[in-house]
Amino acid sequence: DIQMTQSPSSLSASIGDRVTITCRASQGISNSLVWYQFQPGKVPKVLLFAASRLETGVPSRFSGSGSGTDYTLTISSLQPEDFATYYCQQYYNNPRTFGQGTKLEIK
Amino acid sequence: QVQLEESGPRLVKPSETLSLTCTVSGGSLSSDSHYWTWIRQLPGKGLEWLGHIHHSGNTLYNPSLNSRPTISVDTSKNQFFLRLTSVTAADTALYYCARETEPFPILDVWGKGTTVTVSS
Repeated sequence: DIQMTQSPSSLSASIGDRVTITCRASQGISNSLVWYQFQPGKVPKVLLFAASRLETGVPSRFSGSGSGTDYTLTISSLQPEDFATYYCQQYYNNPRTFGQGTKLEIK
Repeated sequence: QVQLEESGPRLVKPSETLSLTCTVSGGSLSSDSHYWTWIRQLPGKGLEWLGHIHHSGNTLYNPSLNSRPTISVDTSKNQFFLRLTSVTAADTALYYCARETEPFPILDVWGKGTTVTVSS
């Protein structure tokens, strides 16, 4: 299985901050990466796919980059609704595997 | 707008079979572009992809689960199902159903999840 190592596991930040979350795969995954947002009481939501393509309806303050084994999710200016847990997931091969998650909290 | 909802017993005894249903509303389960997926979140741990099914019946499973899961579909009821045999306490988790959409196999629609506890 491809192991996805996400960091940090938790992060405290303030409204307006720029935040970056990283995801490292145990082997190259050719940009086959999705970022999800999980919030209590809500259904999980796709933010980006193919490492950098923004899902329809997702604000442009979210962006993704990377290649090979290393990928990042950046939120350019944190908004109150962005405090959530974020997961990366590879779909390069079976089984799909997820990172351990990054919990983003208000400072 | 497509919505998914998980249902099934919240408590299962060790060695028995866990059975969950996912009901699809607002859209058809018979679309060729979609795969219907089960994922779980183990307590204090991350997410685990269990497997998926296409309305044609084609399935793909996570090999680490040693052939314990079976995913099936009933297109007439717009439902798909998870059966997980020989459960142990390690199968206690929050179980999600989700839709995977091609050409990029992203999980673009999720249910809210249902918690299943394995305990005698």
